[in-house]
Amino acid sequence: AQKVTQAQTEISVVEKEDVTLDCVYETRDTTYYLFWYKQPPSGELVFLIRRNSFDEQNEISGRYSWNFQKSTSSFNFTITASQVVDSAVYFCALSEAGGYSTLTFGKGTMLLVSP
Amino acid sequence: NAGVTQTPKFRILKIGQSMTLQCTQDMNHNYMYWYRQDPGMGLKLIYYSVGAGITDKGEVPNGYNVSRSTTEDFPLRLELAAPSQTSVYFCASSWTGNEKLFFGSGTQLSVL
Repeated sequence: AQKVTQAQTEISVVEKEDVTLDCVYETRDTTYYLFWYKQPPSGELVFLIRRNSFDEQNEISGRYSWNFQKSTSSFNFTITASQVVDSAVYFCALSEAGGYSTLTFGKGTMLLVSP
Repeated sequence: NAGVTQTPKFRILKIGQSMTLQCTQDMNHNYMYWYRQDPGMGLKLIYYSVGAGITDKGEVPNGYNVSRSTTEDFPLRLELAAPSQTSVYFCASSWTGNEKLFFGSGTQLSVL
């Protein structure tokens, strides 16, 4: 069975600090997909990234970067120079490739960025 | 395109009442889902559908029912509301189970 663990329940930083959100996953499949979603205080769920298990290259998008390491089953998310608008709950999720796969979400990490 | 539309946005039910949460998508997606979100617990899958006429249980299906008569619509039915069903409900859709999900705006349901 697939599982996603986000051990950090809540993180508080001051604006302009860098922050890393951890995500550890478990799966028996060799082919799988990892996701990050953002849920700002308004409540909607915003897709950030999707990565397949064969692509271990790190990804950078503006102030966001993702570090995928199969050896440690981790898919960590770093925000550089955090801003107040980054305050949100961030969810990591996993889907396996076989059959009728569905997304399994972690419990989320609440990030509070103060001015 | 409207994307995924959920109604209502808010609802208060009394214990034992029933209701249907509506969900429709206009992207011709095969997959549709219902998740519930409880504080600090992430999103848990209630039911999902891989196409019209095909539905299956997720992690927390008890107390709910679904149907998928068309590609566009995926309503969620609560038959006998219980306080444990107080939650925020999200409908979502995607092309396949491995693609990104498009979410509706959510329904905040309170059962008192």
